[in-house]
Amino acid sequence: GQNIDQPTEMTATEGAIVQINCTYQTSGFNGLFWYQQHAGEAPTFLSYNVLDGLEEKGRFSSFLSRSKGYSYLLLKELQMKDSASYLCAVSGSSASKIIFGSGTRLSIRP
Amino acid sequence: DAGITQSPRHKVTETGTPVTLRCHQTENHRYMYWYRQDPGHGLRLIHYSYGVKDTDKGEVSDGYSVSRSKTEDFLLTLESATSSQTSVYFCAISESEDYGAGELFFGEGSRLTVL
Repeated sequence: GQNIDQPTEMTATEGAIVQINCTYQTSGFNGLFWYQQHAGEAPTFLSYNVLDGLEEKGRFSSFLSRSKGYSYLLLKELQMKDSASYLCAVSGSSASKIIFGSGTRLSIRP
Repeated sequence: DAGITQSPRHKVTETGTPVTLRCHQTENHRYMYWYRQDPGHGLRLIHYSYGVKDTDKGEVSDGYSVSRSKTEDFLLTLESATSSQTSVYFCAISESEDYGAGELFFGEGSRLTVL
């Protein structure tokens, strides 16, 4: 089976940096995804990691350690529009089967 | 624009009635998915498909069936709806054609209420 854990809620300040962690336990591994979901909307893709290390994309970066079953999403220079849920998802031994964690609701305060 | 359309977008039905949700894509991608989303549970995979007539179960498949007779359409059926199936249902596609699936593109969601 697969198990994906991430914090339920986080709060951060506009302009600051926040790190959202995700730990996973899967039988096999074919990649880890991060998605952003604003309230009432569909999720949208942020990043994909298949090898260990850091992937940077503008203000967002994602890190993966396969040996530790651990990833984080780093958001820099936070803006009010970053208030959303952030979903960690894993592709396990069946690569086309993509399972999501429960998501982290991030609130940004001025 | 991944060209995904879900229908209906909103539906209210009664316990015990059958319900079918449709996901339509315009670009003939191989991988299609159905998820449900409930507060506190995130997105949970119901069924997915990797080609015409090729489908597999996800995490929460009990009470649901799917069919994919054409590349562009993936149907989710609740044979006898129950109140526990009240949820927002999302269809997703992957544009990857390689083994496994990559980035998912989601439809706008279908909100189903079972009374």
